[in-house]
Parts: sequence; C-alpha cells; structure tokens
Amino acid sequence: QKEVEQDPGPLSVPEGAIVSLNCTYSNSAFQYFMWYRQYSRKGPELLMYTYSSGNKEDGRFTAQVDKSSKYISLFIRDSQPSDSATYLCAMSLYNFNKFYFGSGTKLNVKP
Amino acid sequence: DAGVIQSPRHEVTEMGQEVTLRCKPISGHDYLFWYRQTMMRGLELLIYFNNNVPIDDSGMPEDRFSAKMPNASFSTLKIQPSEPRDSAVYFCASSLAGPDNQPQHFGDGTRLSIL
Repeated sequence: QKEVEQDPGPLSVPEGAIVSLNCTYSNSAFQYFMWYRQYSRKGPELLMYTYSSGNKEDGRFTAQVDKSSKYISLFIRDSQPSDSATYLCAMSLYNFNKFYFGSGTKLNVKP
Repeated sequence: DAGVIQSPRHEVTEMGQEVTLRCKPISGHDYLFWYRQTMMRGLELLIYFNNNVPIDDSGMPEDRFSAKMPNASFSTLKIQPSEPRDSAVYFCASSLAGPDNQPQHFGDGTRLSIL
C-alpha cells in the first residue's frame, strides 16, 4: 500500500464549478500537508500548506485536513480554465524535508 | 527573486553515456532535493542535502547515480553509465529551515531521454 493515495483523474469540470481534490494517507504521524500545482512541462508550484488539522483559505483555494480520517482535500471555488493542471498532494512527518507525494490528479476546466 | 534554476532543460543521449544535471537553488536556502518524475512512479525523492551535506540518499536507485553539492549555490546529479530506464524528468527543489521554515520550491526540471 502506498503511503499517499490520490485519484489520478482526469477530472473535467465546467468553468465556474467548485472542484474538490482529495488524498488519503496511511501514516497517522504525518503533520505537514501540502498542495502543489503542476502545469505541463513545468515544475510543481506550491499552492498551500497546513500544519496538523483544520482548514486554511487563500483566495479561491481552501485546504482541509481531517487527521481522524487520514484525509485531506483541496477545494477550488469559481474554477477557471487557468486552473487546468495536475494537482499533487504531499505530506511530511516532522518538517518540510522528506515529502511523500501523491500521484497527482489531472484537472481540466472547460471554458 | 530567481527561483530554482536547472540545466539543461532537455537532454537526449545514447545509452552508456555519462549524464550530468545541474541545479542552482534559491539563494539562502539550506536544503536541496533531487527528485525523479515518471508516469509510472510519480515523483520520487532521490537524495537531499542540508548545508551541502547529503542527509538521505536512500532513494538513489543504483550506484550509477551520484549527487554532489560542492557549495551552497550549486549541485549536480550524475548518471554513469546511463540506461533507457533512466529516462524521466528530474527536478531539483530547495527550501529554508529555521524560523522561516517553508516547503520546497521546485525548478522546471530536466527532461532526460536515454536512447
């Protein structure tokens, strides 16, 4: 079993939709949770990160962590075609060093 | 601010040749990471350095792979001899520890094709 599981998609939604992206994990010791966005032929770009449980909001993006269920989510409100990319979740134990990445979910937002 | 800079962006070479990938981390960052990304295996951590010292190289696949960080602003990942299964996108990332601890920032990668 992989440490971090993520549905690869692709996920196709119309412009303006609310998007929900999710990851599950097996190691209850994970404390740091990150979301990266990766455009084609580019490196992963950090979107948001949270420590332990709870929610964090940044503009149209909201990250949620549910440690009891070992489940994290990224919500995108009012999705735009420019949000079309692959979204990677990542987790770490004690700091931002050794990351465990999900396989990524490919999102396509149609105009 | 300049981000993580990798070179070359693309490399095509024949099996058996030596390949050297280069990385310049963000100035002031004290951690540097090398990753490999493939469709089958996703993003895999190969090795990471702290203050130019290798900390964890457990992800390095074989002795054919080696990495160095001679100073705070430069690192190399070398494959010798290269094999077709080494074809992948190789990413370098850097981060800052301490009170301003932040997650890793990635370069745009080197797309490596071994024929």
